[in-house]
Amino acid sequence: DQQVKQNSPSLSVQEGRISILNCDYTNSMFDYFLWYKKYPAEGPTFLISISSIKDKNEDGRFTVFLNKSAKHLSLHIVPSQPGDSAVYFCGGGSGGGADGLTFGKGTHLIIQP
Amino acid sequence: GAVVSQHPSRVICKSGTSVKIECRSLDFQATTMFWYRQFPKKSLMLMATSNEGSKATYEQGVEKDKFLINHASLTLSTLTVTSAHPEDSSFYICSVWGGTEAFFGQGTRLTVV
Repeated sequence: DQQVKQNSPSLSVQEGRISILNCDYTNSMFDYFLWYKKYPAEGPTFLISISSIKDKNEDGRFTVFLNKSAKHLSLHIVPSQPGDSAVYFCGGGSGGGADGLTFGKGTHLIIQP
Repeated sequence: GAVVSQHPSRVICKSGTSVKIECRSLDFQATTMFWYRQFPKKSLMLMATSNEGSKATYEQGVEKDKFLINHASLTLSTLTVTSAHPEDSSFYICSVWGGTEAFFGQGTRLTVV
């Protein structure tokens, strides 16, 4: 049972435009969600997180939206830059995240010049 | 934020030998560390939760006798892949829970030949 799903394996966006990455989850016990960015052969880099008590969290160009009723979250990147090209993983967990995380399969974001 | 150092970054070993991967939390005392594994083109999968001073908690399907975890101090957790086989070849990543976010090591690319 895949508890976290990222249904788009890849996404291509023009530089300067908005990138929207989507994520769905099934575990209603999840109360903490994160987005990570990963370059090939490197460890993930934390981007942004959101607690289930919020529906939006913003950090610079990155905004995460959480829709608890739909069990859906999304990551918005505005404006998209070439350095944003990477694989993005959505993760969720319970216990505020301290119980370990379950990740989706990732979305490969490609920013085109 | 916490800095997590993982060593080695790459290792090639012969089938049947054992490999030890170290995960150090450089500026944060971590009672809990996590070990993840990533298969090619797939998600990070939680293997086990490493608890300082006690036994690790393994996820379902992960062989505890094959993947030995030791968390002897608040700054060091080790993962030993025993009697490695080619199917153990993967990217292994450790993570430290910093209270509000997770910090990841650089990852270790293990190749078993």
